Amino acid sequence: NAGVTQTPKFQVLKTGQSMTLQCAQDMNHNSMYWYRQDPGMGLRLIYYSASEGTTDKGEVPNGYNVSRLNKREFSLRLESAAPSQTSVYFCASSEAGLGFSGEQFFGPGTRLTVL
Amino acid sequence: AQKITQTQPGMFVQEKEAVTLDCTYDTSDQSYGLFWYKQPSSGEMIFLIYQGSYDEQNATEGRYSLNFQKARKSANLVISASQLGDSAMYFCAMRASTDSWGKFQFGAGTQVVVTP
Repeated sequence: NAGVTQTPKFQVLKTGQSMTLQCAQDMNHNSMYWYRQDPGMGLRLIYYSASEGTTDKGEVPNGYNVSRLNKREFSLRLESAAPSQTSVYFCASSEAGLGFSGEQFFGPGTRLTVL
Repeated sequence: AQKITQTQPGMFVQEKEAVTLDCTYDTSDQSYGLFWYKQPSSGEMIFLIYQGSYDEQNATEGRYSLNFQKARKSANLVISASQLGDSAMYFCAMRASTDSWGKFQFGAGTQVVVTP
């Protein structure tokens, strides 16, 4: 099992450019998440998807869009990148539902720099 | 809304000693789960330990134990017999029933440095 995979690992953009971060999981999890992590800070939730076909805003959704393409894949799009979006982006997945003991599994992260 | 607070930005600990990382949480839910993650300098997030709000016993996983004090709303991580490889950032996190078990809330993290 690959777990949670993310592409690309590194990306440099110019202000105003667009890009899509890809995420896929092979654990048959219902829930998927996108976080950003800035230096010295914890993880902040951008968007999450509780199940295929649903998405919800997190703490910092402005400037981002997401697509839950199917149960496996959850992509994050920056339509017009800004320097404030320079960060490390993590995708994660977990089980959800009646119980709450399912931990999140994380991808390796994407280091994005916007010039 | 749920909130996680980690008040220790950084700690030094000597090899083979125990270290306690503080985590307090704020929720009005009765049903919730608490998690600890480790993030080494390589960047990946590693799940360490879980505690449910209805679990009567403190969780343990190898050298990791969670000191759960429900009335005080604290979920401190104890690492026994520290090793150099324990040097990392540690995050406390919570998910709760009012978020349909969906969202996780993370603390700001504690940087641990283990010295020889």
